[in-house]
Amino acid sequence: NAGVMQNPRHLVRRRGQEARLRCSPMKGHSHVYWYRQLPEEGLKFMVYLQKENIIDESGMPKERFSAEFPKEGPSILRIQQVVRGDSAAYFCASSPNQRTGELFFGEGSRLTVL
Amino acid sequence: GENVEQHPSTLSVQEGDSAVIKCTYSDSASNYFPWYKQELGKRPQLIIDIRSNVGEKKDQRIAVTLNKTAKHFSLHITETQPEDSAVYFCAAPFVSGNQFYFGTGTSLTVIP
Repeated sequence: NAGVMQNPRHLVRRRGQEARLRCSPMKGHSHVYWYRQLPEEGLKFMVYLQKENIIDESGMPKERFSAEFPKEGPSILRIQQVVRGDSAAYFCASSPNQRTGELFFGEGSRLTVL
Repeated sequence: GENVEQHPSTLSVQEGDSAVIKCTYSDSASNYFPWYKQELGKRPQLIIDIRSNVGEKKDQRIAVTLNKTAKHFSLHITETQPEDSAVYFCAAPFVSGNQFYFGTGTSLTVIP
């Protein structure tokens, strides 16, 4: 049973470009969370999704950021018109059970904006 | 929303000594409290968790205690080893919402 798979592991973008980060949850997991981590800081909640539904996006900036988890395929976090402040590690986690289940983290996608 | 506070932010101990990290939470309905370890450049990984129907759980050198009345839980690492050096995060679910909140992390350094 493969773990949570994230790609790309490293992504470099210039200001104004778009970044797409993908996350495939563990098999059997239908709950996906995205977190952002700045260097030497904690994990900041961004969005919680289930298949074809955004359950809670209260931690995600209202502009330039969007997330989806389609019926088929990975969850995608999309950042449009990236700025230097978007540089961070973006972690995806999946869970078999909302709220009371263990979160299984992917290895993260490290975005660098030049 | 849920507010999870974690202390201390940094902790240095001599090898063999114990380390204790504390977290407090605000949502009294929270019922699941995990601890994650994150090594430099790696993903957070669960090391131990506790549910609200027990007060303490142990796994070899690691233990977690929970005080539901005071709304705090603690991570205890005994006989620390250099490989315990990492950042440790507590977490608590916001039961009334849909978020899993993490503490701000404790950077533990075990000095050989």
